[in-house]
Amino acid sequence: GAVVSQHPSRVICKSGTSVKIECRSLDFQATTMFWYRQFPKKSLMLMATSNEGSKATYEQGVEKDKFLINHASLTLSTLTVTSAHPEDSSFYICSADSGGNTGELFFGEGSRLTVL
Amino acid sequence: SQQGEEDPQALSIQEGENATMNCSYKTSINNLQWYRQNSGRGLVHLILIRSNEREKHSGRLRVTLDTSKKSSSLLITASRAADTASYFCATAPPGANSKLTFGKGITLSVRP
Repeated sequence: GAVVSQHPSRVICKSGTSVKIECRSLDFQATTMFWYRQFPKKSLMLMATSNEGSKATYEQGVEKDKFLINHASLTLSTLTVTSAHPEDSSFYICSADSGGNTGELFFGEGSRLTVL
Repeated sequence: SQQGEEDPQALSIQEGENATMNCSYKTSINNLQWYRQNSGRGLVHLILIRSNEREKHSGRLRVTLDTSKKSSSLLITASRAADTASYFCATAPPGANSKLTFGKGITLSVRP
């Protein structure tokens, strides 16, 4: 099946710094990628929909200036957590739509962010 | 808002037994999907059932969908210890079949 690579898998940063997480579709082009946040033992919360070449669409309650999303190519979307605080510590997961209209999404392995 | 609600929240069974997990949702859907997540990992797609389908099989998995009751069930037959994971149902609304809303998940433990 299609492969989505997410990097880094784990990152620890100091409060106030910014962290970038990459999501790459390795063997297909993804016109749409999605970013989720997951708290321990909780569901995935959709943060934003990322479309190649256009601005991301953020879900209600998600700060777009806090979570910067860039989808510069058909195989890469990035999420930058700016001025990170301990409450931003979470598991961030991306998914990609191969565009085959099947509805199936392919997920990255997730990135564990810990803000000290 | 929470769309999919799975039950039970946690399920513990013996290897070889069948595991049944249920999901209810509130609004109209294009399709319903089940995903599996091992601890600290990404999600793996298991099966997708469209709103005009009632039942689907894939290996040891059987999914049913009752749109009148807005519910779905996932049956894993002859469970194995390797099936231990969290299972999520996710729904896609009409016209946006990849914008998924996830339920809270079910933690399945299969004892060897």
